[in-house]
Order: sequence, then structure tokens, then C-alpha cells
Amino acid sequence: EVQLVESGGGLVQPGGSLRLSCAASGFTFNSYWMSWVRQAPGKGLEWVGNINQHGGGKYYVDSMKGRFTISRDNAKNSLFLQMNSLRAEDTAVYYCAREATAARGDFDYWGQGTLVTVSS
Amino acid sequence: DIQMTQSPSSVSSSVGDRVTITCRASQGISSWLAWYQQKPGRAPKLLIYAASSLRSGVPSRFSGSGSGTDFTLTISSLQPEDFATYYCQQGNSFPFTFGPGTKVDIK
Repeated sequence: EVQLVESGGGLVQPGGSLRLSCAASGFTFNSYWMSWVRQAPGKGLEWVGNINQHGGGKYYVDSMKGRFTISRDNAKNSLFLQMNSLRAEDTAVYYCAREATAARGDFDYWGQGTLVTVSS
Repeated sequence: DIQMTQSPSSVSSSVGDRVTITCRASQGISSWLAWYQQKPGRAPKLLIYAASSLRSGVPSRFSGSGSGTDFTLTISSLQPEDFATYYCQQGNSFPFTFGPGTKVDIK
């Protein structure tokens, strides 16, 4: 059974940093592109960025480029999102998601999400 | 960036109704369009990919159509478990973008 489990969310002050993790199981992790998608409270879905199977290719939404970094550890079947210079508008539930079709989205499995709250 | 719009933003329907949701892209995206269902407090679920391909395990009352800029998600006979918010998402080019969502609720 495919499972994605996020962790690392919590309350952080504006300007602070947080590192989210996503533990994957039940599939060959190093065969898939992986993405992060976020959802602000009561709002719609927003793609954050993704990473290719081997970590050599990464794409981000412009508003997060330079502040957020996606990485992966295929040996540990784990995906990460390092978030720096956090702002109140980064408050959201962050999901990791598997891309069924490489570099096309089609997110066929999602984690349960982890809440990040940016507030003083 | 490719902008995605959806209409209607919400629809009130009854069990058994046929429901159609439209998604439009600001530029052509071929058939790189997916549809998701999300219920409150839950992660989204993939329903349709490549505009019209039904994901395995998704009931056949869901169908998708379209290509280029105009797409449709149809629920042929609404069931109680279908009351949710539906999002389209383009995968033609980075950054991936989602539509604003269509909430389907009970009339």
C-alpha cells in the first residue's frame, strides 16, 4: 500500500525556518517525481514545487523560489521541504504528493498534510 | 504562468442529478489536465488524468472531456459521497496550476 506521511509542521515566527519531511512507503520511491502542494486555511490548492527521480531537476513557483528548497533522500525514501524567510502568507497545510506521470502532475497519492503556522 | 478558471464556483444539486463542471486554461495545455475531489479536512483525491482517463477505482459516473483550453468534468448521477470540492490542475508546463475549485453541495 502506497503511503506518504508528512511531519515537521508547527508554529514558527515570521522570518523563521522550518523543514518538512515526507516518508514514503509501498512503492519504488526513486522511480517517481515528487511534489509539494499547499493549501491555506479555507483556500484552494497551490503547487509549491517538485523534484525529479534523482534530485537533479527541481522546479518551483516563482514566489517561493529562493526561499524554499526541495530535496530527497532515495536511500531513506524521504522527501524534504526546507522553508526559510517564512511569511504569514505561507501559513497552510503542506502536502507531499506523488506524480503519476513524470513532470505532469497527476498527483495520484497524497499525504495527510502537515500544518505550518507562521505567526508571532 | 497558465491561469485556470472553473465554473461554476459552487453548485447545489440533489442525489441523482447530473453535474457538469467546466475548467478553462488561459492557453492551450493539450490534454494535460487532471481533476481532483477534496472533502473537508482531507487530502485531495485524483479522479481523472490526461483530461479523460479515469483513475483505477474511481466510479464510472465520473467522466472528463476536452483538450486545448476547455475541459469538463461530469458526474452522471450524483451520489451522497460526491458532495465535495472539485479542482482541475494543468500539467502542461511549470508551474503547475490549479483552478479555484467548485463546491458541490446538497440542494
